[in-house]
Amino acid sequence: SYEVTQPLSVSVALGQTATITCAGDNIGSKNVHWYQQRPGQAPLLVIYRVAYRPSGIPERFSGSNSGNTATLTISSAQAGDDADYYCLVWDGPSWVFGGGTELTVL
Amino acid sequence: QVQLVQSGAEVKKPGSSVKVSCRASGDTFLNYNINWVRQAPGQGLEWLGGFISIFRTTNYALKFQGRITITADESTSTVYMELRSLKSDDTAVYFCANMLPSGYCSGADCPSWLDPWGQGTLVTVSS
Repeated sequence: SYEVTQPLSVSVALGQTATITCAGDNIGSKNVHWYQQRPGQAPLLVIYRVAYRPSGIPERFSGSNSGNTATLTISSAQAGDDADYYCLVWDGPSWVFGGGTELTVL
Repeated sequence: QVQLVQSGAEVKKPGSSVKVSCRASGDTFLNYNINWVRQAPGQGLEWLGGFISIFRTTNYALKFQGRITITADESTSTVYMELRSLKSDDTAVYFCANMLPSGYCSGADCPSWLDPWGQGTLVTVSS
């Protein structure tokens, strides 16, 4: 079965750029989606199909995907970006989540 | 915009079953392709399975096949997830989520995604 790997934690200084990776074999050939989850809440879609932002998601959130790594980039990180982030890919016929990355804004 | 509302928290004994509901609104039944995802305490997200509205069929994760059943009631736009033979490690928050823009994918890639999500249902399995 397909596996995707995320770093357990990432730290970023307030106002700086955070990058969260999602690694998988030839993941660059797949659509990757990203979710933000705050404690006690349901996941919130922040990026779909690699690089598209849903309505209401700040432009500070962007995505890319190439080779064996997909990346979620959060520019000008704010305190409210403190959350867990998950990547999601399809490995027919199943959905596969990354293990999640805890983002800490310092 | 689709909205999903789930049933309330459940406490179950080991070996029993639980049935969680997810009521959809805001669109037509054919656009409700409800998937189920769970999250054990302090853990990540795990996909369990989904309902493909256009074909009225289901798709289950290999790990749960034989123990899970997803059904749908078109008259109430409600999708149900039943998990049987519960164990303590089934204790988790169970989420439903709609699969957009199509509930059907084949092959190694899929242009759809899961959004929106229900509020979650805590299922506690304890003797």
